[in-house]
Amino acid sequence: DAGVTQSPTHLIKTRGQQVTLRCSPKSGHDTVSWYQQALGQGPQFIFQYYEEEERQRGNFPDRFSGHQFPNYSSELNVNALLLGDSALYLCASSPDRVGAFFGQGTRLTVV
Amino acid sequence: AQKITQTQPGMFVQEKEAVTLDCTYDTSDPSYGLFWYKQPSSGEMIFLIYQGSYDQQNATEGRYSLNFQKARKSANLVISASQLGDSAMYFCAMREGFTGGGNKLTFGTGTQLKVEL
Repeated sequence: DAGVTQSPTHLIKTRGQQVTLRCSPKSGHDTVSWYQQALGQGPQFIFQYYEEEERQRGNFPDRFSGHQFPNYSSELNVNALLLGDSALYLCASSPDRVGAFFGQGTRLTVV
Repeated sequence: AQKITQTQPGMFVQEKEAVTLDCTYDTSDPSYGLFWYKQPSSGEMIFLIYQGSYDQQNATEGRYSLNFQKARKSANLVISASQLGDSAMYFCAMREGFTGGGNKLTFGTGTQLKVEL
């Protein structure tokens, strides 16, 4: 049983560009959340998708948007990239209250 | 206000010894869950253990146990018989409420654990 998978693993983008990160949840999980983890900090909640709709959102600007597909996979889009968007982006899936299972993350570098 | 506090930025422990990583939390929600994750240098967050606010007994998972003191709002992680592979960053996290589909986790700043020979 594959766990949470994210692609790509590493990415370098130029300031002002747009980026799309992808996530496939663990089998049987219908809820997907995205987190941003800056260097030396704990992950910060971006938003969560359930039944193809954004259900909760953290304190992130509208430049951060997402989508969930019928097969529960999800995308995170970031527009007008800033240097401060450089971080590890983690996707987590969950069927319920017992933990959120994370992928290996996508390390985004904005230059 | 910070909801999860981890006051130990770094900890050292000898191999085979036990170590306690501290975590305190703040919430007014009577229903909440507390989690511990391990993050090696590779970046993946590995789920270790979960404690629900209504659970009567402290959670245990192999060498991991959670010392849950509800009145003190603390949820310390105890790792017994430390191994070199336990060297990693450890995060405490909280989920408030158990509504369907809700899974927002609030994380602490982490504790870097180093296991020495």
